[in-house]
Amino acid sequence: NAGVTQTPKFQVLKTGQSMTLQCAQDMNHEYMSWYRQDPGMGLRLIHYSVGAGITDQGEVPNGYNVSRSTTEDFPLRLLSAAPSQTSVYFCASSYSGLAGAKNEQYFGPGTRLTVT
Amino acid sequence: GQQLNQSPQSMFIQEGEDVSMNCTSSSIFNTWLWYKQDPGEGPVLLIALYKAGELTSNGRLTAQFGITRKDSFLNISASIPSDVGIYFCAGQPSSISSGSARQLTFGSGTQLTVLP
Repeated sequence: NAGVTQTPKFQVLKTGQSMTLQCAQDMNHEYMSWYRQDPGMGLRLIHYSVGAGITDQGEVPNGYNVSRSTTEDFPLRLLSAAPSQTSVYFCASSYSGLAGAKNEQYFGPGTRLTVT
Repeated sequence: GQQLNQSPQSMFIQEGEDVSMNCTSSSIFNTWLWYKQDPGEGPVLLIALYKAGELTSNGRLTAQFGITRKDSFLNISASIPSDVGIYFCAGQPSSISSGSARQLTFGSGTQLTVLP
């Protein structure tokens, strides 16, 4: 049971390049999410998914796309990287997330992205 | 979006001392979670709280869900060097919307340094 895995661990992009950050979980969790972490700003939600085929925007979705074709995978796409997207990106998952349910989110190790 | 006020932002303590940090919100939460993040790693769940007034321990860590449902605190007793890291609170707002009910709001973190 690997939990939440993310690849790559580090990435450097030039402005305008595109890339996909990979996230996978093997816990059969319905809910998956992407956060970015910037100094002094905590974790901010980018996009989330409540199940395969269902995604929605979080607090800071601009510049990012997601899809959820399987329960296990939730990739994050940067279509045209900008220096403002330099950050650490975390993927997380939880069993359900419904109000009143036990919905602890488990995090991956992160992807450290630099856009020059 | 929702805002969590986490304090203090940073703490420098001597090994063996007790530590206390807290989070407050202007709105009601139905879940409080406490995470620890080591450098270069993803946040790791320490304690989850689901009921107002609930007091839960995990080794030397104790956390409580405030009775007003708008705050939570985390105590660490007899600190040791490996307690160093950033501690985050996270809360799930009490919302009737099934989408937003799944989202967590994170505090900005407390950076803990333990001096020998």
